[in-house]
Amino acid sequence: EIVMTQSPATLSVSPGERATLSCRASQSVTSNLAWYQQKPGQAPRLLIFGAYFRATGIPDRFSGTESGTEFTLTISSLQSEDFAVYYCQQYLDWPLTFGGGTKVEIK
Amino acid sequence: DVQLVESGGGLVQPGGSLRLSCPASGFSFSSYSMSWVRQAPGKGLEWVSTISGSGGGTWYSDSAEGRFTISRDNSKNTLYLQMKSLRVEDTAVYYCAKDSQAIGGHELVSWGQGSLVTVSS
Repeated sequence: EIVMTQSPATLSVSPGERATLSCRASQSVTSNLAWYQQKPGQAPRLLIFGAYFRATGIPDRFSGTESGTEFTLTISSLQSEDFAVYYCQQYLDWPLTFGGGTKVEIK
Repeated sequence: DVQLVESGGGLVQPGGSLRLSCPASGFSFSSYSMSWVRQAPGKGLEWVSTISGSGGGTWYSDSAEGRFTISRDNSKNTLYLQMKSLRVEDTAVYYCAKDSQAIGGHELVSWGQGSLVTVSS
């Protein structure tokens, strides 16, 4: 099983600042990596697929990068609606696995 | 617009059974794999099962294998999850989700609002 490890667990950021979230895979997933946003009481929403492609309707302040088994989601300038929990997911192999999540909270 | 609406959740005793349904609309249902993902209270996301667009391929997590059965009726545009031998640790919100492709598992493009399953005596 490919283990996905996200850090930090909680990120405190002021509105307008940049947020950088990390996700590490226990082995190569060759860009088969997605990021999701989940707000309280809501279903997850796809943000990024293929490590760096934005999903339909996702603003360009969200970006994804890949370096080997390390993946980064960057939110360039946090808006009030961006405070949420973010999950990464690999889909290279079964079982599909998610990271434990990073909560982005208001500083 | 894609719509996925889960139903069938509720309170069930340990060892009991439950069937979740997820009627879909707004896209060509048979052209996409569909998945179930669950989230225990206050916890993260856990993949449960995926079925290919034709229904000919199914995949399960270790925790679901042998107890849960994913199926679909492409004539009714509906996804199902039959759950038996339920355990307390199966308590979660169960989401159905649309895959980006017809075969296998990929990014989950659209999600329903979830159905709560509570396993308790």
